[in-house]
Amino acid sequence: DAGVIQSPRHEVTEMGQEVTLRCKPISGHNSLFWYRQTMMRGLELLIYFNNNVPIDDSGMPEDRFSAKMPNASFSTLKIQPSEPRDSAVYFCASTLGLAGRETQYFGPGTRLLVL
Amino acid sequence: AQSVTQPDIHITVSEGASLELRCNYSYGATPYLFWYVQSPGQGLQLLLKYLSGDTLVQGIKGFEAEFKRSQSSFNLRKPSVHWSDAAEYFCAVGTGGATNKLIFGTGTLLAVQP
Repeated sequence: DAGVIQSPRHEVTEMGQEVTLRCKPISGHNSLFWYRQTMMRGLELLIYFNNNVPIDDSGMPEDRFSAKMPNASFSTLKIQPSEPRDSAVYFCASTLGLAGRETQYFGPGTRLLVL
Repeated sequence: AQSVTQPDIHITVSEGASLELRCNYSYGATPYLFWYVQSPGQGLQLLLKYLSGDTLVQGIKGFEAEFKRSQSSFNLRKPSVHWSDAAEYFCAVGTGGATNKLIFGTGTLLAVQP
């Protein structure tokens, strides 16, 4: 199994530009999570989907952030416009079953730097 | 509100020494508890989890953890640390019901001295 796949692995962009992060969950998993990791705030859950439907987006910092899951094998996290404070590592994770009790499988992350 | 506290931000141990990483949680019901490890530049990987039953849980790489309800703790232990164990360790509590998600602690960074 290829595991959770994220692209790009690294992204450098300028303030104001649109950034799109992509995630392919493990085949057969029905829940997908987007996390953000920074030194200051640690690991934060941004949003999660179950069966392609957003369940909890309370962690999405503001309207500049949006996430979609058009099908079971693909999700995007978009930041528009990007700001320097968005610089972080963004992780995607997937799981089969209940989010609170099942093992989450993490991708390698996308390291975002906004100049 | 649910929360997880890892009181040690950074720990250094000598190779071959024993290790204990502390984790305390706040949750009204019986929690699901997890330990994840993150190596530099990598995503998180599950070490072990407690869902129910035996309060002493065995995991990968020789790690174990004990759930103590009376102390609201889930400390991670290893009898003999290897240099490859240097990483960041995260404790997490899984919430059920409507919230149904993982809440992570702030992590403990482990350094291993030769």
